[in-house]
Amino acid sequence: GAVVSQHPSWVICKSGTSVKIECRSLDFQATTMFWYRQFPKQSLMLMATSNEGSKATYEQGVEKDKFLINHASLTLSTLTVTSAHPEDSSFYICSARDAGARYEQYFGPGTRLTVT
Amino acid sequence: GQNIDQPTEMTATEGAIVQINCTYQTSGFNGLFWYQQHAGEAPTFLSYNVLDGLEEKGRFSSFLSRSKGYSYLLLKELQMKDSASYLCAVRAGSNYQLIWGAGTKLIIKP
Repeated sequence: GAVVSQHPSWVICKSGTSVKIECRSLDFQATTMFWYRQFPKQSLMLMATSNEGSKATYEQGVEKDKFLINHASLTLSTLTVTSAHPEDSSFYICSARDAGARYEQYFGPGTRLTVT
Repeated sequence: GQNIDQPTEMTATEGAIVQINCTYQTSGFNGLFWYQQHAGEAPTFLSYNVLDGLEEKGRFSSFLSRSKGYSYLLLKELQMKDSASYLCAVRAGSNYQLIWGAGTKLIIKP
């Protein structure tokens, strides 16, 4: 099956700093990538949808200036958490839609962010 | 509004059968997905239903009734490794975004 990687798998940063998370589709082209956030014992919350070469579409309540998303190529999307705060600590997961597939989204392994 | 309901937690015995239900109310419908998620890991795809009926894939089957806004995931011959959360998600529009249920935590006992 299709493989999606995320880097880093976990990161600890100090309040006020920025953190970049990469999401790559390794063996397929992803015209659309999705970024989710998941708090403990809660379901996935869609943060934004990014299409290659265009601006991301953010869900209501998600600050686009705080969560910067770039989808510059068909295999790479990045999420930058700017001026991180402890409440941003969460599990961030990306998924990618294979342009050649009918319906599936393939998930990356997730990035656990801890802001101290 | 958009709403997906599934039980919070279920318990079953190794070797048995368990059915996890999902009901949905969405503004549109373009397919229903089931994913498995182990603690601390990302979800993995299990099944997809867009037409009414049963889709069988090995030990796992998924059923859909669009008129009732209802789906279930059936797990047979339960194994300890099946202990995980099972997420129901609906694709309501044409933009491939998914609306997620809160997930059902399945506990398998020996």
